[in-house]
Amino acid sequence: EAGVTQSPTHLIKTRGQQATLRCSPISGHTSVYWYQQALGLGLQFLLWYDEGEERNRGNFPPRFSGRQFPNYSSELNVNALELEDSALYLCASRGRGIPLEQYFGPGTRLTVT
Amino acid sequence: AQSVTQLGSHVSVSEGALVLLRCNYSSSVPPYLFWYVQYPNQGLQLLLKYTSAATLVKGINGFEAEFKKSETSFHLTKPSAHMSDAAEYFCAVSREANDMRFGAGTRLTVKP
Repeated sequence: EAGVTQSPTHLIKTRGQQATLRCSPISGHTSVYWYQQALGLGLQFLLWYDEGEERNRGNFPPRFSGRQFPNYSSELNVNALELEDSALYLCASRGRGIPLEQYFGPGTRLTVT
Repeated sequence: AQSVTQLGSHVSVSEGALVLLRCNYSSSVPPYLFWYVQYPNQGLQLLLKYTSAATLVKGINGFEAEFKKSETSFHLTKPSAHMSDAAEYFCAVSREANDMRFGAGTRLTVKP
């Protein structure tokens, strides 16, 4: 069974540009979560999508947005990039109901210069 | 609201020594608890989970954790550390689908 996949692996952007990160969940999983892992700050919850709808978002500005497609894959968009957006962005997926564990992808390393 | 606290941001052990990584949770009702491991520049991998079936949970790579309700703890242990265990370990608590909380992480170093 294929795991969670993310693309691209690395992304380099300049300040003010937009970044788009993609995630494909495990087959059969309907929920996708996005996290930001900046150096020294642990995992910060960004967004949760389930069945195509945004269900919850963390304490991030509106320039962080995303969507979930009918095939349950997801996209994270970051507009007006700032230097502090440089981080590892992790996507996780979860199946329906119990259990509640999330399965993580390898991440996208975003560097803003 | 539920949360987890990982005691010790860095733990160093010698190869072959006992590994003990501490996690305490706060939750108004019995939660689901998880331990994840993250190797450098990789995503998180699920080590084990507690879902109330048994208080002693065995995971992958020889790790296990014991749920102690009286101490609100879910410490991760491994009898004998291996060099390949060097990584960052995260404890997490969840009760509902929209609310998984991660600890700050503990970086494990294994000395030869």
